[in-house]
Amino acid sequence: AQTVTQSQPEMSVQEAETVTLSCTYDTSESNYYLFWYKQPPSRQMILVIRQEAYKQQNATENRFSVNFQKAAKSFSLKISDSQLGDTAMYFCAFMSDNAGNMLTFGGGTRLMVKP
Amino acid sequence: GAVVSQHPSWVICKSGTSVKIECRSLDFQATTMFWYRQFPKQSLMLMATSNEGSKATYEQGVEKDKFLINHASLTLSTLTVTSAHPEDSSFYICSARDRDTYNEQFFGPGTRLTVL
Repeated sequence: AQTVTQSQPEMSVQEAETVTLSCTYDTSESNYYLFWYKQPPSRQMILVIRQEAYKQQNATENRFSVNFQKAAKSFSLKISDSQLGDTAMYFCAFMSDNAGNMLTFGGGTRLMVKP
Repeated sequence: GAVVSQHPSWVICKSGTSVKIECRSLDFQATTMFWYRQFPKQSLMLMATSNEGSKATYEQGVEKDKFLINHASLTLSTLTVTSAHPEDSSFYICSARDRDTYNEQFFGPGTRLTVL
């Protein structure tokens, strides 16, 4: 079974600064996908970024980028130029390519962006 | 992007009654839908996976007789909490997988259930 661990329950960052959220996972699969989801106070889950394990290049979406270290099974999220609207819970998630496409979530990191 | 709706967004019911929550994919066909439960300040816990036209697959520890899941069409799955009790109060979220983008799930806005 896969496990996803987010070691930072809470983090805070000043507006306009950069913050990195950590995520590690454990799997014996070779083909899989990794995701970062944002859950704002509305509780709607929003996909922030995704990474295919077979791709060596780190995914980037505007101010959001990941540092994917496959050998270390690490998948951190970097948020640049933090904005107040980035305040939310962030969940790291794993999806195997052959397990019914189930998502396994980490415990979440609560991010507070301070003005 | 693909849109998933849930109805109702919140519901309050008396202990012992049954509550049905609907999950609809609005602009795509969802061959698979997933039901999650989320307690305050916690992560999402997968309850069950439902495939259109077949029985749902429940995760270990989830009572299938209490949480009835039906996926009768490619755009609708329902979760019925039977004989609800206060401990069933939680936030329930569904997600749907597009048959064409098998490696991505689209989430509904969630349903807050409060059992008195």
